[in-house]
Amino acid sequence: EAGVVQSPRYKIIEKKQPVAFWCNPISGHNTLYWYLQNLGQGPELLIRYENEEAVDDSQLPKDRFSAERLKGVDSTLKIQPAELGDSAVYLCASSLITGAGELFFGEGSRLTVL
Amino acid sequence: AQSVTQLDSQVPVFEEAPVELRCNYSSSVSVYLFWYVQYPNQGLQLLLKYLSGSTLVKGINGFEAEFNKSQTSFHLRKPSVHISDTAEYFCAVGPAGSYQLTFGKGTKLSVIP
Repeated sequence: EAGVVQSPRYKIIEKKQPVAFWCNPISGHNTLYWYLQNLGQGPELLIRYENEEAVDDSQLPKDRFSAERLKGVDSTLKIQPAELGDSAVYLCASSLITGAGELFFGEGSRLTVL
Repeated sequence: AQSVTQLDSQVPVFEEAPVELRCNYSSSVSVYLFWYVQYPNQGLQLLLKYLSGSTLVKGINGFEAEFNKSQTSFHLRKPSVHISDTAEYFCAVGPAGSYQLTFGKGTKLSVIP
């Protein structure tokens, strides 16, 4: 069974440029999460989807971050414009059922903003 | 709200020695508890979880953890570590029945040959 797939793995951009990350969850997993992992820190939730619906986006900085999950499968996280402080790893995770909390993570997308 | 404290940011240990990675949590409600491992340049992988029942939980790769409600702890242990255990370990807590996990800052385990 394929795991959670993310791309790109690495991205280097200059500040004020836009960037997008893509995530394909495990087949059949209805719940999808985007986490932010700063250096030396644990993951922090940015947004959670149940199928196509963003059910928790309270931690997503909506002035520059946006996300979508069309058709309830793949998801894209966008930053526009990027700032130096956005340099981090963006992790995507999926789960079959929300309640058990067992998340399956992708390898992450490491963003460096110069 | 929940919070997690991983008491050690780095733990060096010799190969074949035992190890304990400490995790304390705070919550006003019943919780689920998890340990995840992150190898270099990889995503997080579930090691083990406590949802209910026996307080001693066994996971993959020979790891186990014990839920101690009175001390609000969920320490991770392995009786004999291998080089391949070198990684970062994250403790996470969530309200029982909820998706909303709060992660600790992680503990970097370095196994010394």
